[in-house]
Amino acid sequence: TQLLEQSPQFLSIQEGENLTVYCNSSSVFSSLQWYRQEPGEGPVLLVTVVTGGEVKKLKRLTFQFGDARKDSSLHITAAQPGDTGLYLCAPMIYNQGGKLIFGQGTELSVKP
Amino acid sequence: NAGVTQTPKFQVLKTGQSMTLQCAQDMNHEYMSWYRQDPGMGLRLIHYSVGAGITDQGEVPNGYNVSRSTTEDFPLRLLSAAPSQTSVYFCASSYSKGDRLWEQYFGPGTRLTVT
Repeated sequence: TQLLEQSPQFLSIQEGENLTVYCNSSSVFSSLQWYRQEPGEGPVLLVTVVTGGEVKKLKRLTFQFGDARKDSSLHITAAQPGDTGLYLCAPMIYNQGGKLIFGQGTELSVKP
Repeated sequence: NAGVTQTPKFQVLKTGQSMTLQCAQDMNHEYMSWYRQDPGMGLRLIHYSVGAGITDQGEVPNGYNVSRSTTEDFPLRLLSAAPSQTSVYFCASSYSKGDRLWEQYFGPGTRLTVT
């Protein structure tokens, strides 16, 4: 069963452009995490969102959790080559503490 | 702290061989898990453990065994390697305290090829 869908799967943009990555599901989640993975390394946590409608900012990255806790978005302002990587959303299912389901990821390439 | 360590970093196996991927963490995290990562499929959960002596299956457990005799170690065993198990394997540990909800700390990965 496909619980989670991330879009777009691939994104190639020029430095300075803005972009948004989406994470959607028909299920309700207790919380959701976003990770970034660079080639040859393990994913690294960027943020955890918990409350429906919550917005968190991390420098040029803005994360939002949907009001119904079924979806989330990641917006990057003025992308830089250092933002290149695989972005993964990982929601947590109620009453299954610690058990994350990962989306297939969005592979972002930012060209100078 | 070394965080989460994995060995080996690379491995080539022939079909039918068995091996163990090692994973250790020095952060005293109660929760540990194994994922495999294939192109276009994100990370898929193989097995996980909520504490020493307790393990459970994830999304894709077939062909793999785990045990958790200590808090620190969580080895993954491939019983009889198959080409379909060619992948990159990640071990992760996590904990939950206050507003830090199950943040996963990943190891550097093991790249496995089965011929």
